Amino acid sequence: KAGVTQTPRYLIKTRGQQVTLSCSPISGHRSVSWYQQTPGQGLQFLFEYFSETQRNKGNFPGRFSGRQFSNSRSEMNVSTLELGDSALYLCASSLDVTVVSYEQYFGPGTRLTVT
Amino acid sequence: AQSVTQLGSHVSVSEGALVLLRCNYSSPVPPYLFWYVQYPNQGLQLLLKYTSAATLVKGINGFEAEFKKSETSFHLTKPSAHMSDAAEYFCAVRVNDMRFGAGTRLTVKP
Repeated sequence: KAGVTQTPRYLIKTRGQQVTLSCSPISGHRSVSWYQQTPGQGLQFLFEYFSETQRNKGNFPGRFSGRQFSNSRSEMNVSTLELGDSALYLCASSLDVTVVSYEQYFGPGTRLTVT
Repeated sequence: AQSVTQLGSHVSVSEGALVLLRCNYSSPVPPYLFWYVQYPNQGLQLLLKYTSAATLVKGINGFEAEFKKSETSFHLTKPSAHMSDAAEYFCAVRVNDMRFGAGTRLTVKP
């Protein structure tokens, strides 16, 4: 079974631009979560989607948004990029968000650099 | 809200020595706890998880962790370190969303 895939793997953007990152979960998984990883703040939860609905949201500004499609694939968007948005963005999938014991499986991440 | 604290941002052991990575949690309800490992330029890989079935949890690559409610701890151990264990390790607790600790970088000396 294929793992979680994220595209693109690397991205360089300029301040003020917007960016869209994509995540395809493991086949059969219906929940997708997004995390931001930086050396200073560590792993921070962005949001979680299940069946096209946002179930949980972390403490990030409204410039960060996401969505999930009917095939469980998910995208996250960051508008008006700032230098501090440079990070590794990780996507994780799990079978069902309503069962919290289900482990999450992570993709390799998208490394975003904002210049 | 739930949280985890990983004691020691950097742990160094010799090859063949015991590995002990410490994690303490805080949770308003009985928690689900996880240990993940991250190798450079990669995502996180699940080592093991605690879901209340057994307090001693065995994971992949010879790692195990013991849930101690009285100490609110979930420390990760491996009897004998291998060079390939060098990586960053994250403890996590999940109630609604997943909260990660700051991570512990494990270095293995030959």
